[in-house]
Amino acid sequence: GAGVSQSPSNKVTEKGKDVELRCDPISGHTALYWYRQSLGQGLEFLIYFQGNSAPDKSGLPSDRFSAERTGGSVSTLTIQRTQQEDSAVYLCASSLPLVYEQYFGPGTRLTVT
Amino acid sequence: AQSVSQHNHHVILSEAASLELGCNYSYGGTVNLFWYVQYPGQHLQLLLKYFSGDPLVKGIKGFEAEFIKSKFSFNLRKPSVQWSDTAEYFCAVTNNAGNNRKLIWGLGTSLAVNP
Repeated sequence: GAGVSQSPSNKVTEKGKDVELRCDPISGHTALYWYRQSLGQGLEFLIYFQGNSAPDKSGLPSDRFSAERTGGSVSTLTIQRTQQEDSAVYLCASSLPLVYEQYFGPGTRLTVT
Repeated sequence: AQSVSQHNHHVILSEAASLELGCNYSYGGTVNLFWYVQYPGQHLQLLLKYFSGDPLVKGIKGFEAEFIKSKFSFNLRKPSVQWSDTAEYFCAVTNNAGNNRKLIWGLGTSLAVNP
């Protein structure tokens, strides 16, 4: 079946602009995670959604970052007033509820110039 | 706070050599352990996982890992590597407290296998 998809695959933006990154999880996966993979920092958890519950936003690095998940499926990660340090690969993963195996999308490579 | 440490950042091997990649974690509670692999140009994919039971787990493509609780370690092994094993390998841990199964990651090990 279809895996996790993310769009765009690459995004180049100017410092100070806002960007939106999209994630389509695997159908039926109610848990959705966003991670960031930065050079030298490894992979970092950003935010977690589970069904209709309030998201766990504990990994968001600043209030310029926000995410939403509409209808329990598609999720959008928004970065406002982008900074150069936001340059990274943003990965989305989904899983069945309370299951540990996460399936990853291909990521969005964000470059802030 | 949980953390994961991978000891080898870059490994270069010849085909048929044996592989062992080190992974240590810090967390006092019950953990679940994973190795993920990212082949060039591909998604992260699960290589193997440990939840409970036999501490020696086998994964895809001939990989295995051993959980040693007393050492907080979960090292990845393969007796004989192939050129196609060239990839980035990530160790990750999650606890089973609460609903959030967020993964805590090591920095990764880049493996290059020469034919």
